[in-house]
Amino acid sequence: GAVVSQHPSRVICKSGTSVKIECRSLDFQATTMFWYRQFPKKSLMLMATSNEGSKATYEQGVEKDKFLINHASLTLSTLTVTSAHPEDSSFYICSAREFGRLAGTDTQYFGPGTRLTVL
Amino acid sequence: AQTVTQSQPEMSVQEAETVTLSCTYDTSESDYYLFWYKQPPSRQMILVIRQEAYKQQNATENRFSVNFQKAAKSFSLKISDSQLGDAAMYFCAYRTLNYGGSQGNLIFGKGTKLSVKP
Repeated sequence: GAVVSQHPSRVICKSGTSVKIECRSLDFQATTMFWYRQFPKKSLMLMATSNEGSKATYEQGVEKDKFLINHASLTLSTLTVTSAHPEDSSFYICSAREFGRLAGTDTQYFGPGTRLTVL
Repeated sequence: AQTVTQSQPEMSVQEAETVTLSCTYDTSESDYYLFWYKQPPSRQMILVIRQEAYKQQNATENRFSVNFQKAAKSFSLKISDSQLGDAAMYFCAYRTLNYGGSQGNLIFGKGTKLSVKP
């Protein structure tokens, strides 16, 4: 299947700093990327949907000024956690949608996730 | 709004045996996708199998197969000849059939933790 990379895999930062997480689709173009947050032993919670070249659509309850999402190209989306606090500590997962109308493919592939710890 | 329910928080199976994980969903749409994803301890989400609702034939991928009952809105996963490497969280997911739009997000169930006993 298609490959999605995520960097960094693990980051520890001080409270009040900003952290940027990158998500790349390595062998396909992703018109849509999704950002999820996962708490321990819980399911994935969608934070936002980003489309290349346009503003992200945030889910209810997700602060768009705190979680900045940029989808600058068809293979790269970034999530920046601004002014991070300990309650932002979590596992963040990105997903890229491979959509090929002619080929009839429409599947989401996931990155390996980023463990964020805010001290 | 669509919902996905996995009623089994945990399941256990003996190595080489067969296990079935349950999933039900609710939707008013007639066409959609259904997926099973596996999340091992590494936490990498891995696509196990997918089913298009318009296809009556149940999807299969090697040892993994589904029992798709559209009228009952049921989508169970059967794992045959279970292996130690199958131990993981399994998530059932639903997605609307949406071509080229900004939606198409996966709606996940809460997951089933599968343990495989040697």
